[in-house]
Amino acid sequence: QKEVEQNSGPLSVPEGAIASLNCTYSDRGSQSFFWYRQYSGKSPELIMFIYSNGDKEDGRFTAQLNKASQYVSLLIRDSQPSDSATYLCAVGLYGQNFVFGPGTRLSVLP
Amino acid sequence: EPEVTQTPSHQVTQMGQEVILRCVPISNHLYFYWYRQILGQKVEFLVSFYNNEISEKSEIFDDQFSVERPDGSNFTLKIRSTKLEDSAMYFCASYRGQGDLEQFFGPGTRLTVL
Repeated sequence: QKEVEQNSGPLSVPEGAIASLNCTYSDRGSQSFFWYRQYSGKSPELIMFIYSNGDKEDGRFTAQLNKASQYVSLLIRDSQPSDSATYLCAVGLYGQNFVFGPGTRLSVLP
Repeated sequence: EPEVTQTPSHQVTQMGQEVILRCVPISNHLYFYWYRQILGQKVEFLVSFYNNEISEKSEIFDDQFSVERPDGSNFTLKIRSTKLEDSAMYFCASYRGQGDLEQFFGPGTRLTVL
């Protein structure tokens, strides 16, 4: 059974701070790792993906992957109230289904 | 920008009725998926479809469910005899393949079974 776990929320950070979201996965064969943002009642929206160990930056977002520890994280710098949402970690293989974590609810306080 | 579309946005049905949820994936994508999300719970994989056949399905995807690509653009999910516990958001997703990694999600259909 492939499992994806995320740190429980809700996570509250003040505006302008760094938000750190964590995810662990059980299947060592996983190849690709995704962070999606989901607003209430809406579909998941891709923020970024990573498939190599190390860091990947895209604007205010940085994804970090450590395959040895089976750990992936997302850092959001200069958090804005509009970043308030549930963040979903998804793990997959090429062309195959994603396994989603339960999500971490982030609240950015003005 | 191309996007995945789904219809209807909300479907209300009586228990035991059949429903068909429709999706139009992005036109040059090769892999298609259905996921569901029960209110307050995580997104769960149902089925993947490639080359006109099911490539993978989850335990949730039992005999009550079926998928079809009736023409070159639509991708449908049929639930033959709906149960109360089928009430959820159903998301369609598509993936281009050919080295791309990301799946693009449609806006979802909220299914309410009474």
